[in-house]
Amino acid sequence: SQKIEQNSEALNIQEGKTATLTCNYTNYSPAYLQWYRQDPGRGPVFLLLIRENEKEKRKERLKVTFDTTLKQSLFHITASQPADSATYLCAPGYSSASKIIFGSGTRLSIRP
Amino acid sequence: ETGVTQTPRHLVMGMTNKKSLKCEQHLGHNAMYWYKQSAKKPLELMFVYNFKEQTENNSVPSRFSPECPNSSHLFLHLHTLQPEDSALYLCASSQDWGTPRNPYNEQFFGPGTRLTVL
Repeated sequence: SQKIEQNSEALNIQEGKTATLTCNYTNYSPAYLQWYRQDPGRGPVFLLLIRENEKEKRKERLKVTFDTTLKQSLFHITASQPADSATYLCAPGYSSASKIIFGSGTRLSIRP
Repeated sequence: ETGVTQTPRHLVMGMTNKKSLKCEQHLGHNAMYWYKQSAKKPLELMFVYNFKEQTENNSVPSRFSPECPNSSHLFLHLHTLQPEDSALYLCASSQDWGTPRNPYNEQFFGPGTRLTVL
């Protein structure tokens, strides 16, 4: 069955450093992968989408990579700030069907 | 604000009660979704509606009954729930369901309803 794995442990990073979150998938060949941010008690918010033919995507301090050979996506936040503390969800999907499957998320804490 | 609102934000109900969750989107989208989020578990897709037609029912128990009267409104009717149904219920919308116009299905979520079943 399709499986999505994200860092199961919370990630604690010093402010100013680069945070790197991992999303691995198995039994799955997604056409794209989305990343969302979720704050406690709130719904997820879309951040970035990367397609299977794209190796890297950037948006301000965010960078996402997509390696279809390794079946992995990495999500980087550079110059991290305490306001970046949240849970980050990866969500691979097919372009032919809008159903996407969410990973369980990685909780990121940025300490001052 | 994401343009998707949900009411109520919190709900406590007994196992014999009947209640409804409401979702409204102001984005002009045609697809709407219900998700369940339990502690330490991934988001679970429950139902999908596209142009008011249900296109996905992810083996959800019949005690959850969705209703989509138009593309802007989505309801989840609840009856005879179990304590294990306690969770955060999230509504989301997207432009439409996997069409060439939006094959990548970026979803906009509401703030959720925190449901507690006693």
